[in-house]
Amino acid sequence: EIVLTQSPGTLSLSPGERATLSCRASQSISSSYLAWYQQKPGQAPRLLIYGASSRATDIPDRFSGSGSGTDFTLTISRLEPEDFAVYYCQQYDISGWTFGQGTKVEIK
Amino acid sequence: QVQLVESGGGVVQPGRSLRLSCAASGFTFSSYAMHWVRQAPGKGLEWVAVISYDGSNKYYADSVKGRFTISRDNSNNTLYLQMNSLRPEDTAVYYCASGSEWQLLESCLDYWGQGTLVTVSS
Repeated sequence: EIVLTQSPGTLSLSPGERATLSCRASQSISSSYLAWYQQKPGQAPRLLIYGASSRATDIPDRFSGSGSGTDFTLTISRLEPEDFAVYYCQQYDISGWTFGQGTKVEIK
Repeated sequence: QVQLVESGGGVVQPGRSLRLSCAASGFTFSSYAMHWVRQAPGKGLEWVAVISYDGSNKYYADSVKGRFTISRDNSNNTLYLQMNSLRPEDTAVYYCASGSEWQLLESCLDYWGQGTLVTVSS
């Protein structure tokens, strides 16, 4: 089973700042089957990025994904108030659909 | 618009069974893989199970293998999760979610329901 490790656990930033979230896989993820989700308290997760770097429908372009193999990054170029939330990476290779443990982006 | 509505959650004693349902609308249900994902109180997301678009392939997390069964009724656009031998550690909000790619298992989860809470306690 592929294990995804996200860092940092918590990111304290101010609105307008840049956020960089990391997701590292225990083994290479084939064909960049890597997605990112946003979850706010009391809500279901929302798909942000799929295929490591493609934005999902209606996702603002301040969100971007990059990486391949075992190292992936979610970048939020300028944090808006509504972006403070928990972010999860997920791999969706046939070997398993595992999630990382999440990174909380909180207001500094 | 796509809608996924879970039901069937509640309080159940350890060792007992429960069946969750997920009613789908707004898309061609029979053409997409479907997943169950759970989230224990205050914890992260845990993928539980997936079923292929036609029901022919099913995969489970090790934590539920042999106890949970995923199934689907494409004629009624409904996904199920039969949960047997429930344990306190199965306490969580259970979400159903649709795969994003037509007829592919290897796809991300693009639509989610709002979840149903399962509490396993004596």
